Amino acid sequence: AQTVTQSQPEMSVQEAETVTLSCTYDTSESDYYLFWYKQPPSRQMILVIRQEAYKQQNATENRFSVNFQKAAKSFSLKISDSQLGDAAMYFCAYRSPFEGPGGYQKVTFGTGTKLQVIP
Amino acid sequence: GAGVSQSPSNKVTEKGKDVELRCDPISGHTALYWYRQSLGQGLEFLIYFQGNSAPDKSGLPSDRFSAERTGGSVSTLTIQRTQQEDSAVYLCASSLHVMASPLHFGNGTRLTVT
Repeated sequence: AQTVTQSQPEMSVQEAETVTLSCTYDTSESDYYLFWYKQPPSRQMILVIRQEAYKQQNATENRFSVNFQKAAKSFSLKISDSQLGDAAMYFCAYRSPFEGPGGYQKVTFGTGTKLQVIP
Repeated sequence: GAGVSQSPSNKVTEKGKDVELRCDPISGHTALYWYRQSLGQGLEFLIYFQGNSAPDKSGLPSDRFSAERTGGSVSTLTIQRTQQEDSAVYLCASSLHVMASPLHFGNGTRLTVT
């Protein structure tokens, strides 16, 4: 079974600084997708960034980038120039390839990292 | 609407009562997921639908929990004889049946069992 581990329950960063959130996962598959989601206090989960396992190039979305190490099964999120609005829970997620006759795609989430941004 | 809609946004119920939570996914999204999130915690998988079928019900905590989806669209999660430990936020998400498609989440239903 796939597992996703976020070993940092809480992190803090000074405004305008850079912070890296870690995520590791376990799978025997060769192709899959990884995602980072943000959940602010408003509760709405928002996609931050995604990465396909077959792509060697790390995904980037403005101030957000990932460090994807496939062999190590590591998928960390780097937030540059942190802003107060970045304060939220961040969840790492793994999406499996199609399984079974129904084409089931399991999506497994980590336990989350609470990010505090200090003014 | 353009997003995933969940209702009610908040529900307070007495222990032992039944509750029904509703999720209206994005049009065209055949995959639908239910998760439960306790205060400050991660997402606990409950059930997955592909169309009207539920190939994975493994996350339902007990036989008091059930879910259905009709017409490949709206889904309802029913909790019978609610207990205080059922208090949580119940999140629904939908996506295209494509591995690259991210999950689109609703705002959730906060259930409080008194």
